[in-house]
Amino acid sequence: ILNVEQSPQSLHVQEGDSTNFTCSFPSSNFYALHWYRWETAKSPEALFVMTLNGDEKKKGRISATLNTKEGYSYLYIKGSQPEDSATYLCAFYTGTASKLTFGTGTRLQVTL
Amino acid sequence: SQTIHQWPATLVQPVGSPLSLECTVEGTSNPNLYWYRQAAGRGLQLLFYSVGIGQISSEVPQNLSASRPQDRQFILSSKKLLLSDSGFYLCAWTRQGATEAFFGQGTRLTVV
Repeated sequence: ILNVEQSPQSLHVQEGDSTNFTCSFPSSNFYALHWYRWETAKSPEALFVMTLNGDEKKKGRISATLNTKEGYSYLYIKGSQPEDSATYLCAFYTGTASKLTFGTGTRLQVTL
Repeated sequence: SQTIHQWPATLVQPVGSPLSLECTVEGTSNPNLYWYRQAAGRGLQLLFYSVGIGQISSEVPQNLSASRPQDRQFILSSKKLLLSDSGFYLCAWTRQGATEAFFGQGTRLTVV
């Protein structure tokens, strides 16, 4: 069983704060690393799909970096807003098996 | 456009009863298909995945089984439910390769 770990488990910040989460994954058999946002009562939705070491992706106030050699990815949120409150999941994709393994997630709560 | 259907949305079943959850994908062919479960307070645990008709990979030994009788149909089953089978079940699909996953609306299963 692959270990995909995320930290912190939960995070409570105030509006306007910037924050970041960590995803660690096996450095072998890497094919892609995904980030998803999962809001309550909805299905998870993809934020980023990253495949190359050193990849940096950005969507509005959210960005992500990838280090495949050491097996970690960071997700950054700049100027958090209450609507950013959600669980953020990373997922490790092994190309040889087409297996998509999720981490345990980071639950973010942003208050006014 | 592609869509994924998962049903039922909620289910309450007695211990020892059988289970059948169905997931179908429209608008694509030869998708990778996945079944996940979110137990209370935890992330998404990969249960089964399939890269083609009749090809099922099981991640965790458990009381469940999966089948893929058609290219775009994925079924999660159990012959006798246990209390520990309660949880939120999500079906997902990806295209072949490292593309993002698209999720169904989920099934909330309560075993009583």
